[in-house]
Amino acid sequence: GAVVSQHPSWVICKSGTSVKIECRSLDFQATTMFWYRQFPKQSLMLMATSNEGSKATYEQGVEKDKFLINHASLTLSTLTVTSAHPEDSSFYICSVRGTAYYEQYFGPGTRLTVT
Amino acid sequence: AQTVTQSQPEMSVQEAETVTLSCTYDTSESNYYLFWYKQPPSRQMILVIRQEAYKQQNATENRFSVNFQKAAKSFSLKISDSQLGDTAMYFCAFMFAGGTSYGKLTFGQGTILTVHP
Repeated sequence: GAVVSQHPSWVICKSGTSVKIECRSLDFQATTMFWYRQFPKQSLMLMATSNEGSKATYEQGVEKDKFLINHASLTLSTLTVTSAHPEDSSFYICSVRGTAYYEQYFGPGTRLTVT
Repeated sequence: AQTVTQSQPEMSVQEAETVTLSCTYDTSESNYYLFWYKQPPSRQMILVIRQEAYKQQNATENRFSVNFQKAAKSFSLKISDSQLGDTAMYFCAFMFAGGTSYGKLTFGQGTILTVHP
């Protein structure tokens, strides 16, 4: 399966600033990536589907202007949380869709804390 | 829209014993996949087992097996010979196999499993 990394693993930022999270597919050409959000001891919620070279598709209720996703290459997708607020504090996980549509390989996640 | 329900927030089991985690789902689709994922304290998501809806035979992966009841929309996970390393949060997940939703996972609320020595 694909090896997926995320950077940073943990970030603390001040309220009102923006923060960028990177998701890299290290050994697989990722045409499609997914971004999830997870609150402590809760489920993963799909935020958006990121397709290489095109605009991301956001799930209902996710603010596209707040969570900017860019998938400019087959190995990198980025999630930028703009004007972050304490309620944006969460665990963000990306995944890469494999050769088969049912395959999905997850990154280790990024913990965002907004103070 | 699909929904996935895990009614057991927490469960515990003694090492070497067997435990079953429950999952039900609701869908009007006939072509889909079901998964169990494990999230240990490291928070890395790990695929445990996958079941294709069109297959009647229950999937098995070593100590992990499922009981897939399509008509009842039930998908339980049985862990045999539980090990301390099985301690994790377990998520049941649904994926529609077609259309624009293909590849999108819908997760249940999760079940925290603790294996005691």
